[in-house]
Amino acid sequence: SQQGEEDPQALSIQEGENATMNCSYKTSINNLQWYRQNSGRGLVHLILIRSNEREKHSGRLRVTLDTSKKSSSLLITASRAADTASYFCATAYYNQGGKLIFGQGTELSVKP
Amino acid sequence: DADVTQTPRNRITKTGKRIMLECSQTKGHDRMYWYRQDPGLGLRLIYYSFDVKDINKGEISDGYSVSRQAQAKFSLSLESAIPNQTALYFCATSPGTSLGHEQFFGPGTRLTVL
Repeated sequence: SQQGEEDPQALSIQEGENATMNCSYKTSINNLQWYRQNSGRGLVHLILIRSNEREKHSGRLRVTLDTSKKSSSLLITASRAADTASYFCATAYYNQGGKLIFGQGTELSVKP
Repeated sequence: DADVTQTPRNRITKTGKRIMLECSQTKGHDRMYWYRQDPGLGLRLIYYSFDVKDINKGEISDGYSVSRQAQAKFSLSLESAIPNQTALYFCATSPGTSLGHEQFFGPGTRLTVL
């Protein structure tokens, strides 16, 4: 299986703190994406980082990619209770013909 | 209106019944996907279609079949449902043309097989 791993599996923080989630993957990728899922609902795309990029920002989100370590991190700064959700990384491997392989997710709880 | 819709949203059925889950999209995307989600396992790909005449098995296709009736419609069937097919099912779409585009998800169908 090429499914990557995410850690931590669960993270609980206070409002205003930063949240960092990590994703590791197996082989060469075209890009890596992060998605958010509110409880029991559909996934929503957050950000895409290409294999030739090292860092990308979108609002309070910062994603980094280290291809030498085959890993990515998602940082949410100044977290809010509304950020409570599950976060998934998804990798587009070159040998998967356009499919995405999703990780198992990190469950983030932000307490007011 | 939602770009990707799924029907039904919830379904309870019995072992051995045939079930069809439907997905429709108004995004004009060529590519459509069916995933299932189980607690602690993330999303696993069941089937995918890159255009109307293209159907491909995913990671866990056994016990499922699909039909791509039109660019906008992609149905998932469970020919004879079994309890371990109880899960949350998602349809997704993406533009064609290149590797690993962003995917757009429907709201999900919660299926319970008794």
